[in-house]
Amino acid sequence: QLVLTQPPSASASLGASVKLTCTLSSGHSNYAITWHQQQPEKGPRYFMKVNNDGTYSKGDGIPDRFSGSSSGAERHLTISSLQSEDEADYYCQTWGDGIWVFGGGTKLTVL
Amino acid sequence: EVQLVESGGGLVQRGGSLRLSCAASGFTFSNYWFNWVRQAPGKGLEWVANINVDGSYKTHLDSVMGRFTVSRDNAKSSLFLQMSSLRAEDTAIYYCVTDRDRDAWIWGQGILVTVSS
Repeated sequence: QLVLTQPPSASASLGASVKLTCTLSSGHSNYAITWHQQQPEKGPRYFMKVNNDGTYSKGDGIPDRFSGSSSGAERHLTISSLQSEDEADYYCQTWGDGIWVFGGGTKLTVL
Repeated sequence: EVQLVESGGGLVQRGGSLRLSCAASGFTFSNYWFNWVRQAPGKGLEWVANINVDGSYKTHLDSVMGRFTVSRDNAKSSLFLQMSSLRAEDTAIYYCVTDRDRDAWIWGQGILVTVSS
C-alpha cells in the first residue's frame, strides 16, 4: 500500500536551515513527490516536485532558499535562512493508482 | 490571471445534499485532469475525487463512493462535486486542484462545507 510518512513536527531557529522529510512506503521508493506549504488560515500552495534522482522543479515565485533532494525512499525539502513566514504546515503528495496520496503533514515552527 | 474559484458550500443537515462548483480561468481548462481535495477542521489534506480531461474517467475516495460524484463542463471551464447523503465527517474545506501535468499546480482558495447533526 502506498503511504507517505512525515514527522508531525519540526522546529528551527530564525536564520537557520531545516530539512523536512517525506518517506515513501516499501516498494514505492522510485516515486516522485510534490511539496505544498499551508500557512496558518490559508489554503495550500504548491512548492515543488522532487524526483527519485534528486532533481527538483519549483513552482512560480518560490525563493531560492527552498530546495529539494532525494535519498532512497526519502524525499526532502530544505529551507535555508529561515524566516518567520516559513512557519507553516508542509505536506508531501504523490500519485497512486489513479489517485493522489498525501502525507500527514509536518508543522514547522520557527523559533 | 490563472485561478480556480470554488462556490456552493455552506451549512447543510446530515443526510442532505450540496453541489460544489469550481470556475477556472487564465488557462486551458479542457487540457487537464482535475481533483477535489478536502481538509477537515484541524486535520491534514485528503484526496476526494478526480476526473480526466473529457469526463469519461472518474475515481472517488472509498468513503464517498456512491454519495459524491465529480463532473466537469469543458465549455464552461467548470468542475463540479455533487454531494449527497452528507455525514458529519464530510465537514471540511473543499479545494479544487489541478496538477497540470504534475509540476504546475493550481489550488483554489477552498470552500467550507459544514454538515450539522
